[in-house]
Amino acid sequence: DIQMTQSPSSLSASVGDTVTITCRTSQSISNYLNWYQQEPGKAPQVLIYAASSLQTGVPRRFNATGSGAEFTLTISNLQPGDFATYYCQQSFTPPHYDFGQGTKLEI
Amino acid sequence: EVQLVESGGGLVKPGGSLRLSCGASGFSFSSYTMNWVRQAPGKGLEWVASIRSSSSYIYYADSVKGRFTISRDNSKNSLYLQMSSLRAEDTAVYFCARVWDVFYYMDVWGKGTTVTVSS
Repeated sequence: DIQMTQSPSSLSASVGDTVTITCRTSQSISNYLNWYQQEPGKAPQVLIYAASSLQTGVPRRFNATGSGAEFTLTISNLQPGDFATYYCQQSFTPPHYDFGQGTKLEI
Repeated sequence: EVQLVESGGGLVKPGGSLRLSCGASGFSFSSYTMNWVRQAPGKGLEWVASIRSSSSYIYYADSVKGRFTISRDNSKNSLYLQMSSLRAEDTAVYFCARVWDVFYYMDVWGKGTTVTVSS
């Protein structure tokens, strides 16, 4: 299995702030890295696929970069609906989809 | 509207069985790989099982291999997860999710169904 390490595990921020979440993998996965947002009590939804491609309908405040074994998700101009938990997920070895442990973004 | 709706969750005793269903609508179900993903209370996401569009390939996480069976009926636009020999650690919300077979990300998710394994 590919080990996924997200940091930080939690993060406090305010509306209007910019935050960055990092995801590191135990081996190179090229750009097969996806980011999901999960609001409390809801299903996850994909924000970013292929490391940096914005899913349709996702605001451009969400930006992601990276390749190989290190990836980042940056959220700028935080809005109230952005306070959620974020997961990275590798899809380099389908169908084994390893997820990071999550980063909880709190006010 | 593209939609996935899970059902079949509930309370079951350790060692028991349960069958989850996931109904799909708004897209060509038979063209997509489908996954089950679960989330234990207060924990992160865990991929459980995957089935290709024609059921030609089926895969399981080690944690459920030999106990869970994923299947689908494309004529009914439905995905299933037969769970047996259930353990307390199987307690979770179970989501079905559609896989976009280019970068293998899950682009459509159901709202989930809750399975509680307890005596």
